[in-house]
Amino acid sequence: GAGVSQSPSNKVTEKGKDVELRCDPISGHTALYWYRQRLGQGLEFLIYFQGNSAPDKSGLPSDRFSAERTGESVSTLTIQRTQQEDSAVYLCASSSWDRGIYGYTFGSGTRLTVV
Amino acid sequence: GENVEQHPSTLSVQEGDSAVIKCTYSDSASNYFPWYKQELGKRPQLIIDIRSNVGEKKDQRIAVTLNKTAKHFSLHITETQPEDSAVYFCAASLHSGNTPLVFGKGTRLSVIA
Repeated sequence: GAGVSQSPSNKVTEKGKDVELRCDPISGHTALYWYRQRLGQGLEFLIYFQGNSAPDKSGLPSDRFSAERTGESVSTLTIQRTQQEDSAVYLCASSSWDRGIYGYTFGSGTRLTVV
Repeated sequence: GENVEQHPSTLSVQEGDSAVIKCTYSDSASNYFPWYKQELGKRPQLIIDIRSNVGEKKDQRIAVTLNKTAKHFSLHITETQPEDSAVYFCAASLHSGNTPLVFGKGTRLSVIA
C-alpha cells in the first residue's frame, strides 16, 4: 500500500477484555515496529519484527501483550485482559531492509481506551 | 541499551525567533539520529536526520548538529512560524539491521504569533 495502515483507528473496550490491533506495513518493508504513546508522553518501544521473526521483545510491558507477523506483512498486537493503564495510542512503523531506518514510516495509530 | 534524554519538555517562542531542542544519548555505538514532528492527533513525521559521519545538516529553516564526543545532538529551527507548533521527538539508533529507534520524551513547541 501507499502507507502504513492501522486498524481500528479507535477502540473502546471494557477492562478485562482482549483486544487485537492490526498493522499493514508498506508493501515490501521487511521491518515492522510497535510503539505505545500514552497521552502527552513519548514513544515507548514495544516490539519489532524482521521478516516474521521478533528479535527484540524486551519492550513488551507484561505477558498480557503479544504480537505476531505473518507473510512478512500484516502484524497483530494482542492485549489480553486489558487494564486501564493500557489506554494509549498504539503506533506501528515499517522500514525496508535496503533503506534501514531511513525508511521508517509511521501509521496513524490505534487509540485504545479501556473503561 | 540506548537511553535518550530530551530537553526542554516545553518551549514557547515568539514568531520569528529561533527554537533549540537538545538531546543526549548513552550508547556511543549509535550512529543515526532522526527528528520527528508530531502535530496534534497525527502521526510522527520525519523532518530531518543526521548520521554520525557529519557534524551538521541543514534543510531550509531547520538544522541539526551532532557532537559525538559529548554524545549530544540538537535541533535548531530559525524564523519560527505558528505552523511549527507541535511536539518534536529526537531519536537514536544503530543504523544496521533495522534496529529500533529509541525516542526522547518529546518537546512541545508553541510559537506565539
